[in-house]
Amino acid sequence: EVQLVESGGGLVQPGRSLRLSCAASGFTFDDYAMHWVRQAPGKGLEWVSGISWNSGSIGYADSVKGRFTISRDNAKNSLYLQMNSLRAEDTALYYCAKDVAGAFHWYFDLWGRGTLVTVSS
Amino acid sequence: EIVLTQSPGTLSLSPGERATLSCRASQSVSSSYLAWYQQKPGQAPRLLIYGASSRATGIPDRFSGSGSGTDFTLTISRLEPEDFAVYYCQQYGSSPPPTFGQGTRLEIK
Repeated sequence: EVQLVESGGGLVQPGRSLRLSCAASGFTFDDYAMHWVRQAPGKGLEWVSGISWNSGSIGYADSVKGRFTISRDNAKNSLYLQMNSLRAEDTALYYCAKDVAGAFHWYFDLWGRGTLVTVSS
Repeated sequence: EIVLTQSPGTLSLSPGERATLSCRASQSVSSSYLAWYQQKPGQAPRLLIYGASSRATGIPDRFSGSGSGTDFTLTISRLEPEDFAVYYCQQYGSSPPPTFGQGTRLEIK
């Protein structure tokens, strides 16, 4: 089955760190760029970060630049998001999303069900 | 960064009716790089349309997209019960970052 499954979310205090993971299956993971997109409670979608198939190109939203780090392990069919210095405004459901090509095409044809990150003291 | 504004915020229609959803960009979207997604409660978004008018794999032909420049439209020709959801447009012509509209909620009248 073609799917993406996120994990690693939870309740964390402001200023602390969290690492999200996304396990891919059912397609050739290293053929595609991958992204993280988040959705704050009751709000719309916000692109967070993206990484090309070979990790050669990486991008971040201004809101997370310098605090979040995206990475991938093609041998493990996995995508990661290391989130440091977390803020209340980072509270959201974080989706893993598959690009339509190995280089960035910037739209997404497969999404996971998301993992919830809550930043609160 | 291109800002996308969707209208209406909520659209109330009955099954069998035609739905027309609008997405307006703050500046021209290059090469009509605009996508539409459907999101149902508790589910991940699903890609419906890319390139403003191309249907994604497996999407029924009652869904169609049109437009160029700054004005885009998603049309659902005849609503089925499963079509009631939130719809988002997304531009990817000026990326990064790709940006999304705030969504249109399509509800049963």
